[in-house]
Amino acid sequence: NAGVMQNPRHLVRRRGQEARLRCSPMKGHSHVYWYRQLPEEGLKFMVYLQKENIIDESGMPKERFSAEFPKEGPSILRIQQVVRGDSAAYFCASSPRGSRTGELFFGEGSRLTVL
Amino acid sequence: GESVGLHLPTLSVQEGDNSIINCAYSNSASDYFIWYKQESGKGPQFIIDIRSNMDKRQGQRVTVLLNKTVKHLSLQIAATQPGDSAVYFCAETGNQGGKLIFGQGTELSVKP
Repeated sequence: NAGVMQNPRHLVRRRGQEARLRCSPMKGHSHVYWYRQLPEEGLKFMVYLQKENIIDESGMPKERFSAEFPKEGPSILRIQQVVRGDSAAYFCASSPRGSRTGELFFGEGSRLTVL
Repeated sequence: GESVGLHLPTLSVQEGDNSIINCAYSNSASDYFIWYKQESGKGPQFIIDIRSNMDKRQGQRVTVLLNKTVKHLSLQIAATQPGDSAVYFCAETGNQGGKLIFGQGTELSVKP
C-alpha cells in the first residue's frame, strides 16, 4: 500500500541546468499538489493539478517553472535554468478528490541543491 | 548572496508534560483547520483536523481548539514523548478550494 512516491529524493544541479521532479500519487488519488519549503520555513503552495488539468497555479513563479500531470505516469515539476534561490525541498501531496477537508497525503520530498 | 531564513518558534518541554502549540490563521472563510507534524528529513503527516463549526476536537493524546473570534488555533499534546519532537504546522483550507495554506510552524523539542 504505497504512499506518495517522489523521486529523486536528492538532486544537485548547477546554475542554468534543468531540474525535473517526479511524483506518483497514492493509488486511487487523482489530485496532486506541489509545495516548496525553504530551510526553517513553512510550506508554500505552488500548484494543484488533476489528470491533464492545472486547477490552480497561483503559487507558481511565472517563469522557468512548469508542472504537468499527464493521463499516464507521474506528475512532473520542471524547473528550467535553475538558480541558487531554487534550492529547497519540494513536496508533493495527493488526495482522492479536491480535498475539502484538507487532508493531503505528502511524499517524503525532493531536495534540490543548486551549486 | 547569502540567504537568511526565518527561525522557527521553538517550544521545549519535559517528557511527560503537556505541550500547547499555537497558531494564528488568516482566512475566516476556511472550512477546515488542520495540524501536520513534520519530522526531520520527512514529509508532513496529518495529525488532526477540525471543521470551522466546531471549537474542540479530540484525538489520541491530541486536542485541537479553535477560537474563531480571535482566529486562533491550538494543538495540545498530552504526556509528550520524545517521539513527538518535530515541527508542527497549522494549515487552513482557505476559500478557494483544494489547496492548503500552511502557517510558519513551531519546533517542539522534548527533553527526556
